Amino acid sequence: DQQVKQNSPSLSVQEGRISILNCDYTNSMFDYFLWYKKYPAEGPTFLISISSIKDKNEDGRFTVFLNKSAKHLSLHIVPSQPGDSAVYFCAASPGANSKLTFGKGITLSVRP
Amino acid sequence: DTEVTQTPKHLVMGMTNKKSLKCEQHMGHRAMYWYKQKAKKPPELMFVYSYEKLSINESVPSRFSPECPNSSLLNLHLHALQPEDSALYLCASSQEDFESYNEQFFGPGTRLTVL
Repeated sequence: DQQVKQNSPSLSVQEGRISILNCDYTNSMFDYFLWYKKYPAEGPTFLISISSIKDKNEDGRFTVFLNKSAKHLSLHIVPSQPGDSAVYFCAASPGANSKLTFGKGITLSVRP
Repeated sequence: DTEVTQTPKHLVMGMTNKKSLKCEQHMGHRAMYWYKQKAKKPPELMFVYSYEKLSINESVPSRFSPECPNSSLLNLHLHALQPEDSALYLCASSQEDFESYNEQFFGPGTRLTVL
C-alpha cells in the first residue's frame, strides 16, 4: 500500500512558467515532508521541507504548500528553468523519527 | 566538506564474490543510512545507524551486512548476492540523530550489477 503517492508520472512545462508538482499521503502519522530532486546517475538532492505546523515554506524559486486536512502537498517552481528538468520525489516522515517514505517520483521536463 | 561520498561508483560482481561498498561524510552528521533503488522506483530504506549504533534493519537479507567503523564511515558488505540485488545503492546522512526531524543528504550512489 503506497503511503506517499505521486500520481502523475511526468510533467512538461515551458521555460519561465510555473511548475506544480503534486503529492498525496495517507498516513496520518506523517508530519514532516520533503522534496528531493534527482538527476540520472546521481543521488537525490534535498530541495525543501515543511513541517505540519506550517502550511507554506518558501526558498527562492521553490515553494512547498501543505494542506493537512486534504493530506496533500505541492511543490511550486517559479520560474521554471531547463536545469530543473529532473525526477522529483516527495517524501514524508513521522514525528518520532527520520524514516522517510518516498513517492514514486515525477519526471519534470522544462522546455526552452 | 558538505557532501556524502561513495565508492566505488560502479561494481560488477559474481554471485560467489565478497565485496564492500563504502560511504563517507565529514559533516559531523549523527545518523547514516543505506538505501536501495531499483530503476524507476523510489529509494527503499535498508539500514539506519544512529550514533554509530544500528537503529533500523528493514528486514534486509543477511547477505547484506552493514558496518559503521566510526561516525564518518559506513560500509555495506556484500556476499552471495543474487542478480535481483542489482540496483543503485545510496548512502545518506543527517545532522541530528534518527529520533528527530531531519533532512537526509544523499551520496551519488554505487551502481551494482550482480552476474
